[in-house]
Amino acid sequence: EPEVTQTPSHQVTQMGQEVILRCVPISNHLYFYWYRQILGQKVEFLVSFYNNEISEKSEIFDDQFSVERPDGSNFTLKIRSTKLEDSAMYFCASSDPNTGELFFGEGSRLTVL
Amino acid sequence: RKEVEQDPGPFNVPEGATVAFNCTYSNSASQSFFWYRQDCRKEPKLLMSVYSSGNEDGRFTAQLNRASQYISLLIRDSKLSDSATYLCVVTFGSQGNLIFGKGTKLSVKP
Repeated sequence: EPEVTQTPSHQVTQMGQEVILRCVPISNHLYFYWYRQILGQKVEFLVSFYNNEISEKSEIFDDQFSVERPDGSNFTLKIRSTKLEDSAMYFCASSDPNTGELFFGEGSRLTVL
Repeated sequence: RKEVEQDPGPFNVPEGATVAFNCTYSNSASQSFFWYRQDCRKEPKLLMSVYSSGNEDGRFTAQLNRASQYISLLIRDSKLSDSATYLCVVTFGSQGNLIFGKGTKLSVKP
């Protein structure tokens, strides 16, 4: 069964460092998303991406964040200068073009020290 | 403001019990409604969509009341494997981006 894959599963970084989280969406999906979940909190929308550009973003997605689809398969989230409060689980998702159902990856846990 | 509110629980119930979760949403323009399930430290997974007419999938029944902006999930004959956090989710925006509630934790005991 096709699935969304994410790497790394866990990354530990120092405050101020740049982090890139990688995702491979399901191959025939056209919309891609990043969500985050701070431990014990709700899943929060960050950004949606379609046709090689951002289609919508939340107030969380400030200038420190960027997304990119560098090739035909990867979809990345970059955090330029990490802060302690960026520590969270980051979920990538893509949506089925027929049903609109979102499929989530297993997440990348980011710990900022 | 886009908000989805749920009772956080936890709901502790014995096997075989019937349990109901409720959810309210603030954005009357929301188009689609879902229940997701999330196991501890795992990704959310779609449990079922919610339709105005109500829908049932085995032991699970979902209801939507658009006038009251209220969604419910009923689980009958609960199993140990139903233990998880249940997320109420609504869409917003033209791309149908998801807004999640904080979730209701269910623990089914033997």
